[in-house]
Amino acid sequence: DIQLTQSPSFLSTSVGDRVTITCRASQGISNYFAWYQQQPGKAPKLLIYAASTLQNGVPSRFSGSGSGTEFTLTISSLQPEDFATYYCQQLNSYPYTFGQGTKLEIK
Amino acid sequence: EVQLVESGGGLVQPGGSLRLSCAASGFSFVTYSMHWVRQAPGKGLEYISTISPNGGSTYYADSVKGRFTISRDNSKNTLYLQMGRLRAEDMAVYYCAREVQLEYNWFDPWGQGTLVTVSS
Repeated sequence: DIQLTQSPSFLSTSVGDRVTITCRASQGISNYFAWYQQQPGKAPKLLIYAASTLQNGVPSRFSGSGSGTEFTLTISSLQPEDFATYYCQQLNSYPYTFGQGTKLEIK
Repeated sequence: EVQLVESGGGLVQPGGSLRLSCAASGFSFVTYSMHWVRQAPGKGLEYISTISPNGGSTYYADSVKGRFTISRDNSKNTLYLQMGRLRAEDMAVYYCAREVQLEYNWFDPWGQGTLVTVSS
């Protein structure tokens, strides 16, 4: 199975901050990679697919980069509605594993 | 509107069985692979099962293999997860998700989830 190591697990940040979350795959997965946002008590929501393509309707302050084994999600200027948990996922091979999540909290 | 709505969750005793359903609407259900993902209380997302568009291929995570069965009824636009020999560690919110597959692939949308509680 392909393991995803996501970091950090927890981040205390402020509105307006620039935030970067990293996900490392245990083997190369090309761009078969996605990022999701989950608000408390809600289902995950797709933010980015194919490592760097922004889903329709997602604000442009979100961006994704990387390929192969190293991927990043960047939020350029945090807004109050961005405080949530973020998950990465590889879709290169079964099982389609997830990272352990990064929870953003207000400092 | 593309929508997935899960149902069938509830309280079940250890060793018991439960069947979850996921009703799809707003898209051509028969052309998409579908998935189940679960989330234990306070924990992260765990991918557990996949079924191909025609139902001919399935995949299970080791944690549920031999106990859970994924199926679909394309005439009813519905995905199922038959869960058996349930354990305390199966307690979670269960989500269904559609896999969009073009050059790359991703899960969108997800259902709202249904809670399965395993307790005596």
